Amino acid sequence: QVQLQESGPGLVKPSETLSVSCAVSGDSISNFYWGWIRQPPGKGLEWIGYLSHSGSTAYNSFLKSRISISVDMSKNSLSLKLQSVTAADTAVYYCARLTSTTQIGYFDNWGQGTLITVSS
Amino acid sequence: SYELSQPPSVSVSPGQTATITCSGDQLGDRYISWYQQKSGQSPVVVMYQDSRRPSGIPERFSGSNSGNTATLTISGTQTMDEADYYCQAWDTNTACWVFGGGTKLTVL
Repeated sequence: QVQLQESGPGLVKPSETLSVSCAVSGDSISNFYWGWIRQPPGKGLEWIGYLSHSGSTAYNSFLKSRISISVDMSKNSLSLKLQSVTAADTAVYYCARLTSTTQIGYFDNWGQGTLITVSS
Repeated sequence: SYELSQPPSVSVSPGQTATITCSGDQLGDRYISWYQQKSGQSPVVVMYQDSRRPSGIPERFSGSNSGNTATLTISGTQTMDEADYYCQAWDTNTACWVFGGGTKLTVL
């Protein structure tokens, strides 16, 4: 059973860059697809982007100009960077395994999430 | 962008059938997934590709998708089913996954 563990700074100042990591255990990160989803406090889920095992990425069009998703094969982990954050980026950030990058895809394993608060 | 609409809340008595809907333009032409999120926990997929149940999900969960509406049905609802439920679909125009706003299921 694959397990995912997110980690992040907890607090980020406005206009700075948010960085969150996701450590994957139980299987090689190169065997699957991986996504990031966030959830503002008390609100619904928002897909951020995904990374395929070939290294290709796709991002939510609303966040595309500020997002970067990458992978570190040596650490079997992936990371998310979100630039120029505002209070609206305050959310729990989840990484999840994605079964396919086509319309049949869904997120079958989720991490426990990490809360990132944007505040001065 | 493509939008999925869900009722904010659904209430059901224990043992009864809960029906949670997800609406979108020509939704039946897309595959729908459903996620259950209990308070303070991460989401868990309970249905994928409209009506397929992942291993470990009870048989009382079923799904359908036709026309403009997808439905998650929980037969013989139990108190442990109380949670927020989200539908998810692929937006072909923007190449993005989209989530519905979520439905809070109350079992009382």
